[in-house]
Amino acid sequence: KAGVTQTPRYLIKTRGQQVTLSCSPISGHRSVSWYQQTPGQGLQFLFEYFSETQRNKGNFPGRFSGRQFSNSRSEMNVSTLELGDSALYLCASSFRLAGSYNEQFFGPGTRLTVL
Amino acid sequence: KQEVTQIPAALSVPEGENLVLNCSFTDSAIYNLQWFRQDPGKGLTSLLLIQSSQREQTSGRLNASLDKSSGRSTLYIAASQPGDSATYLCAVRPGDSSYKLIFGSGTRLLVRP
Repeated sequence: KAGVTQTPRYLIKTRGQQVTLSCSPISGHRSVSWYQQTPGQGLQFLFEYFSETQRNKGNFPGRFSGRQFSNSRSEMNVSTLELGDSALYLCASSFRLAGSYNEQFFGPGTRLTVL
Repeated sequence: KQEVTQIPAALSVPEGENLVLNCSFTDSAIYNLQWFRQDPGKGLTSLLLIQSSQREQTSGRLNASLDKSSGRSTLYIAASQPGDSATYLCAVRPGDSSYKLIFGSGTRLLVRP
């Protein structure tokens, strides 16, 4: 069974531009979460989407936004890019089961470099 | 506020050694704890998930334990191999309505041939 896929794998942008990243979850998974990984801050939760609705949001500015489509695919958008947005952006998918069993599976990530 | 700590930050061992990686968390109200492996520049590979009601989980040479009351988890790797070299991350899902994971900063493991 195919895993979580993310496109593109690498991106180079300049300050002030905007960028859109895409994530396709494992078939049958309806929850998609996004994380930012940097050497200084580690892995930080951005937001989670389920049934096309944002359910949870981390402590990031409004420049970071996302959406989810009816087929559970998700996109993340960052506007007015800053140098500090350079990071590995990871998405994770899960069934979002009630209770404590809710294994999350991660994609390979999109490496964003802001110049 | 939930915080996750992993000790040590880095570990270098000779091949064949059994080793233990540690993870601690400040709030015992969690739904589960998940261990991941990350190779340089890559995504995360899920290794083991322990539900809050469980004490341990095993997969091959890996065994993870959970002591929720003391806020600790350990990942035991038996008979380490050079291919085990990677960064190991633990993450807890808090016991609230969110489905987010809170990660530790990881242990970078090097297994020397």
